[in-house]
Amino acid sequence: SQQGEEDPQALSIQEGENATMNCSYKTSINNLQWYRQNSGRGLVHLILIRSNEREKHSGRLRVTLDTSKKSSSLLITASRAADTASYFCPFMDTGRRALTFGSGTRLQVQP
Amino acid sequence: EPEVTQTPSHQVTQMGQEVILRCVPISNHLYFYWYRQILGQKVEFLVSFYNNEISEKSEIFDDQFSVERPDGSNFTLKIRSTKLEDSAMYFCASSGSSGQGGQPQHFGDGTRLSIL
Repeated sequence: SQQGEEDPQALSIQEGENATMNCSYKTSINNLQWYRQNSGRGLVHLILIRSNEREKHSGRLRVTLDTSKKSSSLLITASRAADTASYFCPFMDTGRRALTFGSGTRLQVQP
Repeated sequence: EPEVTQTPSHQVTQMGQEVILRCVPISNHLYFYWYRQILGQKVEFLVSFYNNEISEKSEIFDDQFSVERPDGSNFTLKIRSTKLEDSAMYFCASSGSSGQGGQPQHFGDGTRLSIL
């Protein structure tokens, strides 16, 4: 499968702790995106990192990309109960626009 | 902040009936998409649309499905003769123009389609 595969499948932490999720992919990419989905809602774009970038920050989010290992990580610092959601790193084939989603990481932040 | 809006939020339809799901993409976007998510399963790509024609489609998007941009603001997904397995959440998304798909896709909150 070429889709971005998220790891772990589920993560439960206490409010205030940091949450780290990982993503692996199998072919070359131009960029990698992270999305969040709250239960029963649509997907929200969080951050896009290009293949020539190694790290990117947006508020409490930090994304890293290692193209040699074909992997990315999403770090949420000082987590809040509102961060409870599923997180995805969908794959996008070069030259295409369709996003291929994996099963995601289900993050539960306990208040 | 502009957003993608979808109507209705919930649609209940008898099997075999036609259904039209509606979406209003972000106004200056040029690429439009439909995805679906069967309960408990992954989000699946259906189709993308650009310049008034389908640019990509998946194996799911068979002859029972069609898309249309009937005017300058709406983007619709039609299922001609619904089946029980069409029950899912359908998401519309849009993105701006950029080479190599380097623009994020903005999703609506979805239409929950229930086929009886």
